[in-house]
Amino acid sequence: EDKVVQSPLSLVVHEGDTVTLNCSYEVTNFRSLLWYKQEKKAPTFLFMLTSSGIEKKSGRLSSILDKKELFSILNITATQTGDSAIYLCAVEAYGSGNTGKLIFGQGTTLQVKP
Amino acid sequence: NAGVMQNPRHLVRRRGQEARLRCSPMKGHSHVYWYRQLPEEGLKFMVYLQKENIIDESGMPKERFSAEFPKEGPSILRIQQVVRGDSAAYFCASSRKTGVRETQYFGPGTRLLVL
Repeated sequence: EDKVVQSPLSLVVHEGDTVTLNCSYEVTNFRSLLWYKQEKKAPTFLFMLTSSGIEKKSGRLSSILDKKELFSILNITATQTGDSAIYLCAVEAYGSGNTGKLIFGQGTTLQVKP
Repeated sequence: NAGVMQNPRHLVRRRGQEARLRCSPMKGHSHVYWYRQLPEEGLKFMVYLQKENIIDESGMPKERFSAEFPKEGPSILRIQQVVRGDSAAYFCASSRKTGVRETQYFGPGTRLLVL
């Protein structure tokens, strides 16, 4: 069965700290890996990764994929209280009919204290 | 450019009633996905639809749940005879099409509470 596992499940840091969130997966027909940030509303898209070893960056956030070892990390440097959220990792798999459905991990709840 | 819209945002139903959740995809998007997030769990895929077609319903419970995406109007997720275990957040996502680099964008969700 396809699965996505995130760690840690929760994390508490102080402003200015750097955090690394982990996502490992076992998916038969991997297409891409996505990171989302979920606050109180909709999960908002952060990154899509399809190739190994290519770092994607957006401000203080960066992410990289290792397709050989089947994992990805999301780094957040100089954390701010506004980074407090649930970070979701999802893998898009080729399904029957080429559906592109997303398989989500449990999420990592990050709390950044002032 | 409005994002994915869902309504209602919150829905309270008593056991045995019907729940109807609506999703309007982003402009230009013709692919809709429904996901369910149970308390303390991650999002789980339910169904994928294109206009007037159900493409993949492998994540839908076999009974009481149905989904449609008519030619005109929003996609509807319908839950008949709701039970307490249906209480969850239901998220809709849309994309322009399927394929590499076609990101799914999520709506704000409908939080269903069954009393």
